[in-house]
Amino acid sequence: GAGVSQTPSNKVTEKGKYVELRCDPISGHTALYWYRQSLGQGPEFLIYFQGTGAADDSGLPNDRFFAVRPEGSVSTLKIQRTERGDSAVYLCASSRGQGNGELFFGEGSRLTVL
Amino acid sequence: QKEVEQDPGPLSVPEGAIVSLNCTYSNSAFQYFMWYRQYSRKGPELLMYTYSSGNKEDGRFTAQVDKSSKYISLFIRDSQPSDSATYLCAMSAGDSSYKLIFGSGTRLLVRP
Repeated sequence: GAGVSQTPSNKVTEKGKYVELRCDPISGHTALYWYRQSLGQGPEFLIYFQGTGAADDSGLPNDRFFAVRPEGSVSTLKIQRTERGDSAVYLCASSRGQGNGELFFGEGSRLTVL
Repeated sequence: QKEVEQDPGPLSVPEGAIVSLNCTYSNSAFQYFMWYRQYSRKGPELLMYTYSSGNKEDGRFTAQVDKSSKYISLFIRDSQPSDSATYLCAMSAGDSSYKLIFGSGTRLLVRP
């Protein structure tokens, strides 16, 4: 596609529920990233995929967070037992190769946990 | 103390002014330096990318990196109301260049 596509753009859920956020990267981009941005802050790294495998998941805050990219294209970020502190904008980005900082971001999925 | 420090602003300037945005950092391993622009409720958009020290110019934008002072700058000449946005600096180290460390962003308002 023309750009990185993320769905849903907005998600409101209740504490304790399960949430899935989807990312469709730019066609041909092998690297995919998830970042999280809280209000008034810069994005924070969560996980980096090169192809189908998670090359670095050191930014995932705890084991309630998990991400997959089974066919090396679309990725899903999964959050179990959501907490109010998980409320943020979840940004997906993609790049050719490792990117070295030249990332193309989607518009984000705004998650609100009530 | 955060690895990357950035004044949150807001910074308000008249149209046509020269804007200077800055970040300081503490990690001497950073080698890649970026400036992203983020409009309200949109994703960050890469503006400038610099490897190591030096200057880079692209149209009205100039990025400077001073690794000896751990200080980076973005200059915007002839600022326009459409430049009103949040500007995020970001940087990464050579061994994990995909892991960007962002500043908290400076909000810029260019008044017509």
